[in-house]
Amino acid sequence: DQQVKQNSPSLSVQEGRISILNCDYTNSMFDYFLWYKKYPAEGPTFLISISSIKDKNEDGRFTVFLNKSAKHLSLHIVPSQPGDSAVYFCAARGGSARQLTFGSGTQLTVLP
Amino acid sequence: DAGVIQSPRHEVTEMGQEVTLRCKPISGHNSLFWYRQTMMRGLELLIYFNNNVPIDDSGMPEDRFSAKMPNASFSTLKIQPSEPRDSAVYFCASSLQDPSTDTQYFGPGTRLTVL
Repeated sequence: DQQVKQNSPSLSVQEGRISILNCDYTNSMFDYFLWYKKYPAEGPTFLISISSIKDKNEDGRFTVFLNKSAKHLSLHIVPSQPGDSAVYFCAARGGSARQLTFGSGTQLTVLP
Repeated sequence: DAGVIQSPRHEVTEMGQEVTLRCKPISGHNSLFWYRQTMMRGLELLIYFNNNVPIDDSGMPEDRFSAKMPNASFSTLKIQPSEPRDSAVYFCASSLQDPSTDTQYFGPGTRLTVL
């Protein structure tokens, strides 16, 4: 039972264009969402997060959007750079639970 | 400022041997998490500690796995005896318990291969 789903295993984007990574969740108790970026042979690196009381959070080139009614969040990267090529994981946490539930990841490739 | 430190980075062992993975969390963080990443199951939580006390170990696969946190700056994950299906990348993460953020920061991982 996957509570956090990333349905696109891979995404290719041209340098300078927008990258949009999507994530869906099923557990309505989730109230805090995070995006992590992972390079090969490294641990996941925290990128950006959003609380369920907001619908948008922006940090430089990265913006996360949350649509609670649709149980959907997305990560926008503008403009995309070759160094952004990595696996992106969506994660969620709910209520008093501390543990994160991760999606399966999306491999982003930014082409020069 | 040092991040989460894990050792060893790579471990190759034979089936039946004991394996010990080590983690040093970020100084000042009071929560520590052990995750395992496999192709089949992705990133899954094994156990987490809060103030050195195990809170949720429901993700620990079976009795062959055990984890300890003797103090705020050190944790171990032990597998005894190890089996080939334990081959995976094991990550440790730490966080400062804060209801408004509670962001977990990950170490580089230990790649375990059990032959």
